[in-house]
Amino acid sequence: NAGVMQNPRHLVRRRGQEARLRCSPVKGHSHVYWYRQLPEEGLKFMVYLQKENIIDESGMPKERFSAEFPKEGPSILRIQQVVRGDSAAYFCASSPELAGKETQYFGPGTRLLVL
Amino acid sequence: KQEVTQIPAALSVPEGENLVLNCSFTDSAIYNLQWFRQDPGKGLTSLLLIQSSQREQTSGRLNASLDKSSGRSTLYIAASQPGDSATYLCAVPTGGGNKLTFGTGTQLKVEL
Repeated sequence: NAGVMQNPRHLVRRRGQEARLRCSPVKGHSHVYWYRQLPEEGLKFMVYLQKENIIDESGMPKERFSAEFPKEGPSILRIQQVVRGDSAAYFCASSPELAGKETQYFGPGTRLLVL
Repeated sequence: KQEVTQIPAALSVPEGENLVLNCSFTDSAIYNLQWFRQDPGKGLTSLLLIQSSQREQTSGRLNASLDKSSGRSTLYIAASQPGDSATYLCAVPTGGGNKLTFGTGTQLKVEL
């Protein structure tokens, strides 16, 4: 019974390149959340998605960042034209229902390093 | 805006000691409160979830309490072990329950 899976676990990009982070939620979970943990900072919410819909992207930077959760396949967090300040750990979580009622299950994270 | 604070930021104790980690939040209108554990370079593991109607929740050597009116929660760890060394995070759902607001964490080290 697999938990939340994220890949890659580590990603190195040069400034200006694109980063694509993938998240496969727990089987049967329809709610996906992305969080970012900057060095020496706490976890911050970025975006909440259900299948084919972005529900809340209030924590997502307005430029260069996008997220999707297609009908088939994993959720993707895409960062275009990466900068050094994007270096962080990006965590995906999933839940069967809203987090207010259910715990969120976290993946192991993708650690992005921008050179 | 909900703000979550944890003290202390770091704690070092000898093995076997009982200890208390603190979490405070500014908006008492919460559905629940969760405690997580994060090991270096790893993801988060949920330890305990306390619903807003509960006062405490127990799992093994862990006991979490919740006082909504004062905006506080504590995580009590009994008979600490070196394997308990990790960062402990508390979190509350905000924005209608669809996102978690995390505290900054307490980094715990249990020494032999």
